[in-house]
Amino acid sequence: KAGVTQTPRYLIKTRGQQVTLSCSPISGHRSVSWYQQTPGQGLQFLFEYFSETQRNKGNFPGRFSGRQFSNSRSEMNVSTLELGDSALYLCASSLDIRGFNTEAFFGQGTRLTVV
Amino acid sequence: QKEVEQNSGPLSVPEGAIASLNCTYSDRGSQSFFWYRQYSGKSPELIMFIYSNGDKEDGRFTAQLNKASQYVSLLIRDSQPSDSATYLCAGLFYNQGGKLIFGQGTELSVKP
Repeated sequence: KAGVTQTPRYLIKTRGQQVTLSCSPISGHRSVSWYQQTPGQGLQFLFEYFSETQRNKGNFPGRFSGRQFSNSRSEMNVSTLELGDSALYLCASSLDIRGFNTEAFFGQGTRLTVV
Repeated sequence: QKEVEQNSGPLSVPEGAIASLNCTYSDRGSQSFFWYRQYSGKSPELIMFIYSNGDKEDGRFTAQLNKASQYVSLLIRDSQPSDSATYLCAGLFYNQGGKLIFGQGTELSVKP
């Protein structure tokens, strides 16, 4: 069974540009959550999608957005990139994160560097 | 107060010893807790989850949950150098719509 796949693995962008990251969850999983990980802040929750609907959102500015497709694949977009957006972006796949004891599995992440 | 708190460490233990990692949470509405291990430069991998009061054992790992004290711990018996990593505690917060919130992580170093 294939794991969670994130693409691309590495990305270098310039301030002011926008970027789109992709996440393909484990087959059968319908919930995809996105996290930003930085050394200073740890793992910060961005948003969660289930069946193409955003069910939950963290405390990030509107420059951060996402969507989920009918096949459960998800994308997140960051517009007008800032240096502080440099981070490891992780997506986590689960059957349904709201399930009583459902486990979330992470992809390898996308390392974004903004210069 | 952060929703999930961990000591950042580093925690250093000799090989073969028991490593004890601790986590506290602020929201009594959280019912499920997860322990993840993250090696440097890698993504977090799930070790265990627990949602009932008491202990849950899986091989060398034991998770403990005390809902009255809002406390979660992970014990690693017979620690090995390969256990050296950052351990992340996460709580599933149902009253926030099912948000999985992570602590800052505790860095564990097992010395040969």
